[in-house]
Formats: sequence, C-alpha cells, structure tokens
Amino acid sequence: AQSVTQLDSQVPVFEEAPVELRCNYSSSVSVYLFWYVQYPNQGLQLLLKYLSGSTLVKGINGFEAEFNKSQTSFHLRKPSVHISDTAEYFCAVSDLRSGGSNYKLTFGKGTLLTVNP
Amino acid sequence: DGGITQSPKYLFRKEGQNVTLSCEQNLNHDAMYWYRQDPGQGLRLIYYSQIVNDFQKGDIAEGYSVSREKKESFPLTVTSAQKNPTAFYLCASSTGTGATGELFFGEGSRLTVL
Repeated sequence: AQSVTQLDSQVPVFEEAPVELRCNYSSSVSVYLFWYVQYPNQGLQLLLKYLSGSTLVKGINGFEAEFNKSQTSFHLRKPSVHISDTAEYFCAVSDLRSGGSNYKLTFGKGTLLTVNP
Repeated sequence: DGGITQSPKYLFRKEGQNVTLSCEQNLNHDAMYWYRQDPGQGLRLIYYSQIVNDFQKGDIAEGYSVSREKKESFPLTVTSAQKNPTAFYLCASSTGTGATGELFFGEGSRLTVL
C-alpha cells in the first residue's frame, strides 16, 4: 500500500526567506504526486502535480517541487516566502497500480508553514 | 462563479442525532468525494461517487451514509453510529476519477458533537 510522510508538522520562517517542505512516499509501483495548500478555515487548492516528464515541477504562487525517484521524495520549495504563504500544505500520492485514480489519493498529515514578519 | 458550496459552515449536534451536510457543485463534474479532516491527521476518504446513482465506500465509511440522486449534489449524513463525529468535513469534485489529481474542494463544514 502507498503511504506519504511529511517530515515536519510545523515550519516557521521569516518573510523573504527560502523554505523547503519535505515529503517522502512509499509505493512499490510508479506514482503520481501532488501538493495542495489549505488556508485557514478553507478547503484545499492544488499547488502543483507530477504525473510524468520533467522531474522539476512549477506550480502556482512561485512554488516548485522536485520528484526524486531514488530518494522517493517530492519536496516543495519556494525561494522567498511572503506572509500570505502562511497555510497548511499537504503532499498526496496516487499509485499506478490503482490507475492513479483520484479516489485513491493518499494524503500526508500536513505541514503548517508560518511566515513571520 | 463555478465552485463547490458546502453548508452549513458550522454545525452542532447532540449525541444520538443524525445530521446531514450539504454539498452542491456547479462545475459539471462527474465525480464527487467526502473527506474527513482531523487535526494533524491529514484527509481521509469517507465516500466517493463517480456517477449519478452510484457511490463507493472510502477508507472510513462506517457511521456515514450518502446519496447521489443528482449530478450536482452529494449530501453526507453523519449517523448516530459514528462514534467520534466531531471533525472538519470537506466535499470535493473532479472531472473524473482518472489520474489528474486535481480535486476542487468546498470550504468545509465543521461539526461539533456536544
């Protein structure tokens, strides 16, 4: 079965600093990988996704992530964060054994990013 | 604007009562989902529906029921059999159940059992 581990439950940073949110997955087959963002008291919004091709994926709001198959990782990065990036970030995986189905998405437990002035 | 509307945003329930959470979408999406979110636990799938009049259990369906009589609507009933119903409930939809990974979420309903 697939699983997702987000290594940090909370990440505090100062405004304009770089940030990396870590995500590792476990699956015996090829996977599709996703990052979602949740602002306080709201639903989730897709930031970016890796389905195939280039391992460096760019998303909305200046975020990017790199798929590393050998490390089974999909870390999310931003070179300079803003106060408005304060939110919870979820990594999710869907493996090809299930056809990569949306209803087989497995979410990590989330990382709360807090950007301080 | 197109989107997903969940209501109510906040709901209080006494133990032993059933409660129904509404989810309506005007995105013309075929697939709809219900997730439960608990602090520090991520999202867990309760039920999903790929097409009208059909739905499937997710990972934590016990104590919940759903219906899909219209494409636009996917209400969730939290029954008295659900032992720990206090949580944040999220409804989502997608164009299909294929591997796009893009789910569109509502703003959630927070249920508190008194």
